Amino acid sequence: GNSVTQMEGPVTLSEEAFLTINCTYTATGYPSLFWYVQYPGEGLQLLLKATKADDKGSNKGFEATYRKETTSFHLEKGSVQVSDSAVYFCALSDRGGFQKLVFGTGTRLLVSP
Amino acid sequence: GAGVSQSPSNKVTEKGKDVELRCDPISGHTALYWYRQRLGQGLEFLIYFQGNSAPDKSGLPSDRFSAERTGESVSTLTIQRTQQEDSAVYLCASSIRRDLAGFNEQFFGPGTRLTVL
Repeated sequence: GNSVTQMEGPVTLSEEAFLTINCTYTATGYPSLFWYVQYPGEGLQLLLKATKADDKGSNKGFEATYRKETTSFHLEKGSVQVSDSAVYFCALSDRGGFQKLVFGTGTRLLVSP
Repeated sequence: GAGVSQSPSNKVTEKGKDVELRCDPISGHTALYWYRQRLGQGLEFLIYFQGNSAPDKSGLPSDRFSAERTGESVSTLTIQRTQQEDSAVYLCASSIRRDLAGFNEQFFGPGTRLTVL
């Protein structure tokens, strides 16, 4: 079945540091890929998405590129801020069907001033 | 508010009791999903409703779990004879019908934290 593996946290960085959170997936067919973010005390929010190979999703300075050859969708940001502290979830869904999401376990990011 | 709402936000119950969790989707959203997140794990899909079609229950972990939805409105998730392993955050999400590009964003509620003692 489909699955998502992402790096364990917490990831602790200083403000303005470069961020990478690794995500790899196993899926049949051509899934869509997502990063969701959960800020403290808030619900899950879609951060960015990519629906086909080589697509780059981007939002709020975050980027992730759909790499079919390495089955990866790593999240990157060039300069993190304290306000980026949150839990980040990588997820995939089938492009057909009803698009249930399959999530990774989440990675907590802590950014200190 | 216009977002997905869930109630209660927290529920503590004793082992063996039944619990009912409620989800109010965004108005006009035809699709509704239930997920759960156990401590230290990712979100697990439980059940999916799309309009008046038969729900997809493939993610329900046992026959103690059931869910209902009337039309395109409120959904309730019921857990009978709760067990300690049912302790988790239960999340509801809704989306509009699949668009021409084959993608519709799921909007999540804040979740219900269930603790079974």
